[in-house]
Amino acid sequence: AIQLTQSPSSLSASVGDRVTITCRASQGISSALAWYQQKPGKAPKLLIYDASSLESGVPSRFSGSGSGTDFTLTISSLQPEDFATYYCQQFNSYPVTFGGGTKVEIK
Amino acid sequence: EVQLVESGGGLVQPGGSLRLSCAASGFTFSSYEMNWVRQAPGKGLEWVSYISSSGSTIYYADSVKGRFTISRDNAKNSLYLQMNSLRAEDTAVYYCARDLWVGAKDYWGQGTLVTVSS
Repeated sequence: AIQLTQSPSSLSASVGDRVTITCRASQGISSALAWYQQKPGKAPKLLIYDASSLESGVPSRFSGSGSGTDFTLTISSLQPEDFATYYCQQFNSYPVTFGGGTKVEIK
Repeated sequence: EVQLVESGGGLVQPGGSLRLSCAASGFTFSSYEMNWVRQAPGKGLEWVSYISSSGSTIYYADSVKGRFTISRDNAKNSLYLQMNSLRAEDTAVYYCARDLWVGAKDYWGQGTLVTVSS
């Protein structure tokens, strides 16, 4: 199975900060990567698919980049509603796998 | 409006069985591939199973292969997960999730909690 390693596992940031989360795949997955946001007690919400395509309705401050094995989720200016846990997920091959998550907390 | 509503969770003893259901509405269910994804308390997301739109192609995570069975009834707009030989490590919130055409999951249900304990 393809392993996804997210870093950092947690971070503290302030409103307005630029935040970058990385996801590294154990083997090449082309651009078959998605990013999700999850808030406590809620289902995950799709933010980015195909590594860099913004899901409809998601604010443009979220962006994704990368291909092959190295991927990045960037929040250009962190907003209060962005404090949550973020997961990457690969859909290049089964079994589908998720990264371990990155918790974004308020500094 | 797309809606996915899971049901069937609860407390079950180790070795027991449970059947989860996911009722879909607001879209043409028969046109979409579907999944079950779970999340143990305080842990990350774990994909469990996939079924194609027609039901002809199915995949499972190794952790549930041979114990869980995914199925769907397109006439009833419903997805199912039959869980047998349950273990403590199967304790989790179980989500049904719709596949975007590329394999990302664009809609999720609210989840149903399965607790395996004596």
